[in-house]
Amino acid sequence: DGGITQSPKYLFRKEGQNVTLSCEQNLNHDAMYWYRQDPGQGLRLIYYSQIVNDFQKGDIAEGYSVSREKKESFPLTVTSAQKNPTAFYLCASTPSGGGGYGYTFGSGTRLTVV
Amino acid sequence: GENVEQHPSTLSVQEGDSAVIKCTYSDSASNYFPWYKQELGKGPQLIIDIRSNVGEKKDQRIAVTLNKTAKHFSLHITETQPEDSAVYFCAASNPSGYALNFGKGTSLLVTP
Repeated sequence: DGGITQSPKYLFRKEGQNVTLSCEQNLNHDAMYWYRQDPGQGLRLIYYSQIVNDFQKGDIAEGYSVSREKKESFPLTVTSAQKNPTAFYLCASTPSGGGGYGYTFGSGTRLTVV
Repeated sequence: GENVEQHPSTLSVQEGDSAVIKCTYSDSASNYFPWYKQELGKGPQLIIDIRSNVGEKKDQRIAVTLNKTAKHFSLHITETQPEDSAVYFCAASNPSGYALNFGKGTSLLVTP
């Protein structure tokens, strides 16, 4: 079955440490997105990529970095510059960019700073 | 990003009653409005969507209405069941042509 796989499901980060969240899709979608979800805050856009080797900052990109070297993969690195990284992170994809498609979401990664 | 306001933040209904969740958006250029259901610990699932050239869309017990003039859209769930309990998010397409902007969510509880 086609879908989006996020791993790990739970991740613990020590202060000052970089961590990378994995997102893989086998839907042959061009566009991929990373959102952060905090209680009562909805979903906020971190980064998006409309095509391989291209990505753009979203509304809350500070302290995060991404790469898009392959169509099916869009990993997110949470750097030590992100001061409040504890959150639920969601990856999504659409057939193409443009905002006019419903997202397919992964099952999320819950990141906790310890 | 565009501001999407969603109300109420929590909603409790009895099984069999109807539930209505309302959203407003700020930019008239938005043209796509999906609704998502998120169960605890899972990613959101698309349940219904509507485009700006349509005023209403229905899928079994779920319907969405859109008022472009007022920049409102609403989710209607009829004959609610306990398994409808979840967090529901509305979204609007970003007028710049990428991504979606989401409301803050409504936690729906359907009690037997």
